[in-house]
Amino acid sequence: ETGVTQSPTHLIKTRGQQVTLRCSSQSGHNTVSWYQQALGQGPQFIFQYYREEENGRGNFPPRFSGLQFPNYSSELNVNALELDDSALYLCASSLARGYDNSYEQYFGPGTRLTVT
Amino acid sequence: GESVGLHLPTLSVQEGDNSIINCAYSNSASDYFIWYKQESGKGPQFIIDIRSNMDKRQGQRVTVLLNKTVKHLSLQIAATQPGDSAVYFCADSKAWAGSYQLTFGKGTKLSVIP
Repeated sequence: ETGVTQSPTHLIKTRGQQVTLRCSSQSGHNTVSWYQQALGQGPQFIFQYYREEENGRGNFPPRFSGLQFPNYSSELNVNALELDDSALYLCASSLARGYDNSYEQYFGPGTRLTVT
Repeated sequence: GESVGLHLPTLSVQEGDNSIINCAYSNSASDYFIWYKQESGKGPQFIIDIRSNMDKRQGQRVTVLLNKTVKHLSLQIAATQPGDSAVYFCADSKAWAGSYQLTFGKGTKLSVIP
């Protein structure tokens, strides 16, 4: 177990709705990254949060947004859900240090989102 | 955009044999590479990583080889066991402000035959 938790485990939403997914990072980690994994594909980077600020973004539209809180937990929000948003959403936590780039990302079990 | 890809989508090996999973990457600026194992219904699990200033790194039963000249990465699993059955992803990254964004390939499914 990585110590990274995600909620909920599964979620079913209707097209056009909004969804919020949550992630608690491993103790001591200050960076959270979110990934979307479609069935049969590798995870795709959505964005990353470092010390409560967005620190890089992948090729996802603005309706994908996020937050990181002072305790380094994070939320992923998706507005105006589309059928293609159905996927496993993974968060990964890591520790970035100014003097030594840490690189291991520890993944949570994911949230399975189904959009109907 | 640039991406990481895999040569083979599936690999079947006999229990006890060695497994080799290959991966090609295209981003010449990448300086960090990781292999992840993903079992059904679970998130990716870190296996082993390597930085671009190395060409080989060994772990427990696993070895990662990096050939920067041809942008090729491989994962070798010694004495493959049934518990090794999973999808294996390689990922590459370029350091960004103290942390790394990973670009994953599509994955190779490893099936171990008892």
